[in-house]
Amino acid sequence: QVQLVQSGTEVKKPGASVKVSCKASGYSFTNYYLHWVRQAPGQGLEWMGRINPHTGDTNYAQKFQGRVTMTRDTSISTAYMELRSLRSDDTAVYYCATWEVVHNSLEYWGQGTLVTASS
Amino acid sequence: EIVLTQSPGTLSLSPGERATLSCRASQSVSSTYLTWYQQKPGQAPRLLMYAASSRATGIPDRFSGSGSGTDFTLTISKLEPEDFAVYYCQQYDTSSLTFGGGTKVEIK
Repeated sequence: QVQLVQSGTEVKKPGASVKVSCKASGYSFTNYYLHWVRQAPGQGLEWMGRINPHTGDTNYAQKFQGRVTMTRDTSISTAYMELRSLRSDDTAVYYCATWEVVHNSLEYWGQGTLVTASS
Repeated sequence: EIVLTQSPGTLSLSPGERATLSCRASQSVSSTYLTWYQQKPGQAPRLLMYAASSRATGIPDRFSGSGSGTDFTLTISKLEPEDFAVYYCQQYDTSSLTFGGGTKVEIK
């Protein structure tokens, strides 16, 4: 069965960087785009961007351009999302999710990683 | 960027009642690219409906979706206790996604 397992909770100081991992299993990693979505406490869902695990090509939401980098390591079926220059309003749960191209939807989701940016 | 506005923000209903959730887009969205998710507290979102009106695997038929252009609707015909959750619509356009702000369906 498809599983996306994310790395654990992170606590960072404002100005620091965080790198969240998303390990995929149960399917061919390079066949499906991986998206990153975040959710601030008590708030809605916010799309951050996506990576094509086959080519490494990325698309980022304009809001995060210059501050986010998405990468992957195909040898271990793992995707990464690095966010730099953290601010307090970056405190959120960060999710990875697979894109199902036939249904044009986010089909499988990781369990989420809580990132807290606080002094 | 296409903005999705969901209404109402909160829907207070009793089990067995019908729920009607709205998702309005700032410009026309192909129904092929309109998706609904359900999220319960402490959980990741779950795919509910894709292409505006197709149920995802395992979703019961009390859930239905409709709409086109800028107006889309998610209907739950008879609310079950497990349906009380937050629902988000999402659209896909030129390599980017946007989500609506969500509608919380709570027990009255």
